[in-house]
Amino acid sequence: EPEVTQTPSHQVTQMGQEVILRCVPISNHLYFYWYRQILGQKVEFLVSFYNNEISEKSEIFDDQFSVERPDGSNFTLKIRSTKLEDSAMYFCASSEGTGEGRRTFGSGTRLTVV
Amino acid sequence: GQQVMQIPQYQHVQEGEDFTTYCNSSTTLSNIQWYKQRPGGHPVFLIQLVKSGEVKKQKRLTFQFGEAKKNSSLHITATQTTDVGTYFCVTDSWGKLQFGAGTQVVVTP
Repeated sequence: EPEVTQTPSHQVTQMGQEVILRCVPISNHLYFYWYRQILGQKVEFLVSFYNNEISEKSEIFDDQFSVERPDGSNFTLKIRSTKLEDSAMYFCASSEGTGEGRRTFGSGTRLTVV
Repeated sequence: GQQVMQIPQYQHVQEGEDFTTYCNSSTTLSNIQWYKQRPGGHPVFLIQLVKSGEVKKQKRLTFQFGEAKKNSSLHITATQTTDVGTYFCVTDSWGKLQFGAGTQVVVTP
């Protein structure tokens, strides 16, 4: 079964540093998403991306966050100046053409800000 | 966004027993999805329900969408240790998945 691939699996960074989390969505999917899950809490929507632009974003997704599809396969989440409270598991997901229905999630990147 | 409440928050089940987890909304939902997250894992899609009163079965799992489309349930029969994890009901609103808090299931052999 096709998978969403995320790298790295674990990233440790110092407060104030920039991080880039990488994802390779399923090849024929058109909608891409980032979610985060703080330890012990529920999964929270960050942003959705379609046709090379953001289609929806949450209040969490402020100016410190940005997303990009630099080529035909990668989808990245950048956090410009990390804060301690950005420590969480970040999940990338993708879905087929309608943007609704089943999302396929990657295994996640655990971000630890120290 | 459309918020859902899940109960119970925790469910301890003896292997072989049945249990049900519930999802409730104060507003009418266009659809409901269920995901399972194993400990240390990522959410995995289980099912989507769209029609009022819809019932879908996957082996030992039975999913139901209420007639008023304001609630949903997941019933698991003959629980196995592989059923361990957190089960989330999720609303899909304009492309945003809104996760409930989940029901964390622990299975005792």
